[in-house]
Formats: sequence, structure tokens, C-alpha cells
Amino acid sequence: AQSVTQLGSHVSVSEGALVLLRCNYSSSVPPYLFWYVQYPNQGLQLLLKYTTGATLVKGINGFEAEFKKSETSFHLTKPSAHMSDAAEYFCAVRTARVGGKLTFGQGTILTVHP
Amino acid sequence: NAGVMQNPRHLVRRRGQEARLRCSPMKGHSHVYWYRQLPEEGLKFMVYLQKENIIDESGMPKERFSAEFPKEGPSILRIQQVVRGDSAAYFCASSLSGTTHTGELFFGEGSRLTVL
Repeated sequence: AQSVTQLGSHVSVSEGALVLLRCNYSSSVPPYLFWYVQYPNQGLQLLLKYTTGATLVKGINGFEAEFKKSETSFHLTKPSAHMSDAAEYFCAVRTARVGGKLTFGQGTILTVHP
Repeated sequence: NAGVMQNPRHLVRRRGQEARLRCSPMKGHSHVYWYRQLPEEGLKFMVYLQKENIIDESGMPKERFSAEFPKEGPSILRIQQVVRGDSAAYFCASSLSGTTHTGELFFGEGSRLTVL
């Protein structure tokens, strides 16, 4: 079984401030980990993913995340928030086998203040 | 290269009617997944299909809901005798199969069902 917990359903930052969205996972086998972003009334867009190899992964729009196996975490960060980053962010886990389903966290709504 | 296509984008039904949601996966993708997103909630897995086969339907309600992915044509999520609680956004996703599998799901824009 696999599960994802996102700490904080709402995060608010000032423009230019650090963005930190927390994600912890549970998986009985080596996981694939993902962050998706959803803008209002739209579908989900992949920000970044971890499969194997380097544990620090870089994604689009300046986001990055670090896979920490010992902490079962995959937190998403961005050094400097932009107004356009305001959206809902979902962390997801998938087992490393063909066809495994994605299991999503509850989502974190990011608000960016001027 | 077109992405995952869902239609209709918006659907309004009265209680007791049927809703049919369609999903065409990305070209070359043979795995299709349906998710439901209720207001203020995350995405909940419903069903995973390959061509002509249901692989995992552990997230599907036992009654009124069904899904198919025929040999030809789009995947269909069917909801019979809709109730107000079925109002949600339904997302379809697809992925590659075989040894080139990367683990990523590609999502459509969603179909938003409103039950009056």
C-alpha cells in the first residue's frame, strides 16, 4: 500500500520569499515521486519527478525537490516566489512497476502576496 | 502531438439521468486512469484500464459507475442515475506501457459534472 501526506492545506508567502511545500510518503517498495500543479479550472501539469539517481531533482518554473529516503519525504521548494506560482500543488507516489496507479496527497493551496 | 483529450469539459445533468465522460489518451499510450476530484479535496483514484481490460477498479463505487476502454475509440466513464454527490471534476490520465515506462501520468483538462 502507498500513501501521501501533505502538511498544510494552505501556505501563504510573500512575493520573493522562499516557497516550501511539505510531502511525506509511505510505500512498501521503491517509489516514484511526483509534484503536480493545478491552476483553477485546469488539469494537472507535472512540475518534477523522482524515479532513480540524483535525489535532488529540478523541475519547471524554478521548482526543485529532494528525495530523502530516511525521512520518507519529498518536499518542494522554490527560492523566490512569483505571483504566477499561486495554484494548488499535489504530491503523488507511484510504485516502480508498469501501470501502477498514482496516489495523491490532499493538495496544498499556495497563495502569493505582493 | 495532442495531449489527453476529455469531453465534454462541462456537463449538467438532473438527478436520475446518465452521464458519459469520454477520454482519448495521448498517442501511443495504452494505459488510462480515471480520477475524481471533489471540491476542497484531492484527486481520488477510481479505475485503471488498458485496452479492453479493467486492471484495477478498487476506487470505483460499487453501484452506478462503470468504465470501459474499447479496442477502438475513447475510454468512457459512465455514471447511471446521477445524484448530487456525483458533482465533481473527473480527470483522465494516460501513460506509456512497456520498457520505456517512466512513471509519469499525463492528465487531461477534466470534465466537470454538475448534478441539479
